[in-house]
Amino acid sequence: KAGVTQTPRYLIKTRGQQVTLSCSPISGHRSVSWYQQTPGQGLQFLFEYFSETQRNKGNFPGRFSGRQFSNSRSEMNVSTLELGDSALYLCASSLSLRETQYFGPGTRLLVL
Amino acid sequence: AQSVTQPDIHITVSEGASLELRCNYSYGATPYLFWYVQSPGQGLQLLLKYFSGDTLVQGIKGFEAEFKRSQSSFNLRKPSVHWSDAAEYFCAVGPPLTGNTPLVFGKGTRLSVIA
Repeated sequence: KAGVTQTPRYLIKTRGQQVTLSCSPISGHRSVSWYQQTPGQGLQFLFEYFSETQRNKGNFPGRFSGRQFSNSRSEMNVSTLELGDSALYLCASSLSLRETQYFGPGTRLLVL
Repeated sequence: AQSVTQPDIHITVSEGASLELRCNYSYGATPYLFWYVQSPGQGLQLLLKYFSGDTLVQGIKGFEAEFKRSQSSFNLRKPSVHWSDAAEYFCAVGPPLTGNTPLVFGKGTRLSVIA
């Protein structure tokens, strides 16, 4: 069974731009969570989706948003990029809420 | 609030030596507990998990972890480390099925392996 896939793997943007990251969960998984990983802050929870509904949201500004589609694929969007948004963005999928999460390889975003 | 502490930021061990990575958590009830490993530039790979039952859990790559409720700990162990084990290790806690809070991760412990 294929694992979690994330596209693109690498991205370079400039301040003020916006970006959309995509995550395809493991087949049959209905829950998708997003995390931001930086050397200073570690792994921080962004949001969690299940059945196209956001179930939890982390402590991030409104510039960070996401959605989940009927096929469980998810996207996250960051508008008005700031230098501090440079990070590895990880997506994880699970069969359902509170089930074991399996992570994708991440999208590394660099904001210049 | 839930929290996870990994006291050791960086550990260096010799190949073939034993390893123990510490994890302490703060949680209102007995949480679900996980250890993940991350190689440079990669995502997180699940090593093992504890939901209930036997407090000593076996994982992949020869790792095991022991849940100690009285100490709020979930330490990861391996009897003999291989050079390929060099990576960053993350402990995480999540709510049981009745909870509605996301996973909380520790800051990670970077493991270096020397010959």
